[in-house]
Amino acid sequence: GAVVSQHPSRVICKSGTSVKIECRSLDFQATTMFWYRQFPKQSLMLMATSNEGSKATYEQGVEKDKFLINHASLTLSTLTVTSAHPEDSSFYICSAIGTSGTYEQYFGPGTRLTVT
Amino acid sequence: AQSVTQPDIHITVSEGASLELRCNYSYGATPYLFWYVQSPGQGLQLLLKYFSGDTLVQGIKGFEAEFKRSQSSFNLRKPSVHWSDAAEYFCAANRDDKIIFGKGTRLHILP
Repeated sequence: GAVVSQHPSRVICKSGTSVKIECRSLDFQATTMFWYRQFPKQSLMLMATSNEGSKATYEQGVEKDKFLINHASLTLSTLTVTSAHPEDSSFYICSAIGTSGTYEQYFGPGTRLTVT
Repeated sequence: AQSVTQPDIHITVSEGASLELRCNYSYGATPYLFWYVQSPGQGLQLLLKYFSGDTLVQGIKGFEAEFKRSQSSFNLRKPSVHWSDAAEYFCAANRDDKIIFGKGTRLHILP
């Protein structure tokens, strides 16, 4: 149980375009989802916390107008990178909290974004 | 401030040798503790977790970790590593919905 999927696993887009990444909890309801960014050979950096039905909470330094997050249902959160630039190329990972009360996060497999 | 420290950026061990990866945390109260493994280009896989109770926690793939409150540590161990264990290992902690990661330790295995 507690499986989180991401789609797509890899995406290449041209500079100036937007790309949407989906994060789904497959077998549980996730009231809270998180989006992380990981640069090569570095740890995960929390970008934002997404709560179902409300606006996402962004970490300091993360542009909310550039990284649009929508958590429209208890099983789906989306991250849209708008007007992408090469410096947005990165590995994006989502996670979701289950209902165990221990705040254990279940991680998706990640999405590799390359902006050309 | 809350933090998780992994003092070793790289660790190299020979296949078949024992392994210990260090993790220290700084929190106001004892957090929940986790170890994750990440292979190149992959997401995170949970190896084990500690919430309460027995301080020696068994995980998958033959890993274990010991919680030591007095040392604010949660070190990961494996008695005999395999070449397939080469990966990045992250220690993490939380007390609320935000998880804090250490910077990771890259494990290299010598044949």
